[in-house]
Amino acid sequence: DVVMTQSPLSLPVTLGQPASISCRSSQSLVYSDGNTYLHWFHQRAGQSPRRLIYKVSNRDSGVPDRFSGSGSGTDFTLKISRVEAEDVGIYYCMQGTHWPPYTFGQGTKVEIK
Amino acid sequence: QVQLVESGGGLVKPGGSLRLSCAASGYTFSDYYMSWIRQAPGKGLEWVSYISSSGSSTYYEDSVKGRFTISRDNAKNSLYLQMNSLRAEDTAVYYCARDSDSSSCGYWGQGTLVTVSS
Repeated sequence: DVVMTQSPLSLPVTLGQPASISCRSSQSLVYSDGNTYLHWFHQRAGQSPRRLIYKVSNRDSGVPDRFSGSGSGTDFTLKISRVEAEDVGIYYCMQGTHWPPYTFGQGTKVEIK
Repeated sequence: QVQLVESGGGLVKPGGSLRLSCAASGYTFSDYYMSWIRQAPGKGLEWVSYISSSGSSTYYEDSVKGRFTISRDNAKNSLYLQMNSLRAEDTAVYYCARDSDSSSCGYWGQGTLVTVSS
């Protein structure tokens, strides 16, 4: 199975400042169709996860443009340009290239300093 | 808009069975693959099972193979997860999720809690 490793696992941030989360996979996530099935999710306390970014860098509908995804191969990053209070919670990366199974990262907890 | 509503969770003894349901609305259910994903208390997300749009193909995480069965009824816009031989480690919130934009888990339900305890 593909192992997804996120860092950091805890990220205290200041409101209005940028934040960055790394996600590394144990093997390349480029699929035979040329796509890279690496997605990012956000989960607030007591809520269901919500997908923010699909296929590395595509924002889902309604996701603010302060969120951006980048990367290739085995190394990916989620960036928040200016953190807002509603951005707290846990962020997960997930790979959908080598399945089954889909595999998630451990999660990165973002909190306000 | 897309809505997914899970039901069927509850308290069950080890070795027992439970059937989860996910009622879909707001889109053509038969057009999309569906997944079950779970989250143990205080833990991360774990993919459990996946079913093709027609129901002809199913996939399972290794720890649930032979115990869980995913199915769907496209006429009823419903997804199911039959869980047998339940173990304490199956305790979790179970979410159903739908693909979107040719990628998995674009939409999620609110989840249903399964507790396996004597």
